Amino acid sequence: DAMVIQNPRYQVTQFGKPVTLSCSQTLNHNVMYWYQQKSSQAPKLLFHYYDKDFNNEADTPDNFQSRRPNTSFCFLDIRSPGLGDAAMYLCATSRGGGETDTQYFGPGTRLTVL
Amino acid sequence: DQQVKQNSPSLSVQEGRISILNCDYTNSMFDYFLWYKKYPAEGPTFLISISSIKDKNEDGRFTVFLNKSAKHLSLHIVPSQPGDSAVYFCAGAHNDMRFGAGTRLTVKP
Repeated sequence: DAMVIQNPRYQVTQFGKPVTLSCSQTLNHNVMYWYQQKSSQAPKLLFHYYDKDFNNEADTPDNFQSRRPNTSFCFLDIRSPGLGDAAMYLCATSRGGGETDTQYFGPGTRLTVL
Repeated sequence: DQQVKQNSPSLSVQEGRISILNCDYTNSMFDYFLWYKKYPAEGPTFLISISSIKDKNEDGRFTVFLNKSAKHLSLHIVPSQPGDSAVYFCAGAHNDMRFGAGTRLTVKP
């Protein structure tokens, strides 16, 4: 089954220790997104890639970086996690990135910062 | 800046009755609206959408209504089933998507 896969599902890191979350897709979609969702809040778009073109949201902290080495994989790097970065991180993909494009989500990675 | 608001964090409905989930938005540039459904331990999955030029879209038991003048949309599920119990996210789209915080629907047998 074509799908969006996120590893690990649960990640624990220490305050200030860099962490990388990964996302892979078998849908061959052009666009990949990273969202941050804190408890009882709306998913917040951090950035997205249209192919290799990186698009950063204006209010995404510099602490968050992303890499997309190929169509299938996209990584979220948090350089120095703070306690406020503890959240669910959702990866999503879509074919073309237009507003009518359905986004397909992975199951998320829950990040805990100690 | 929360452009999409779902003011009811939870809703409980009896099986067979209608579920009505509400959503308000502030961004008049949105030209497409979507509802996503999320089960525990899974990512959100697309449920139904509506273009801003329409006021109603129906797909089986699910109907979405859009009132542009009020900047309000609603999702109706009828009849509700226990398997519909999930968190429902409303989203508005214009270049990218903005989500609401979600409403947890519980359908009781």
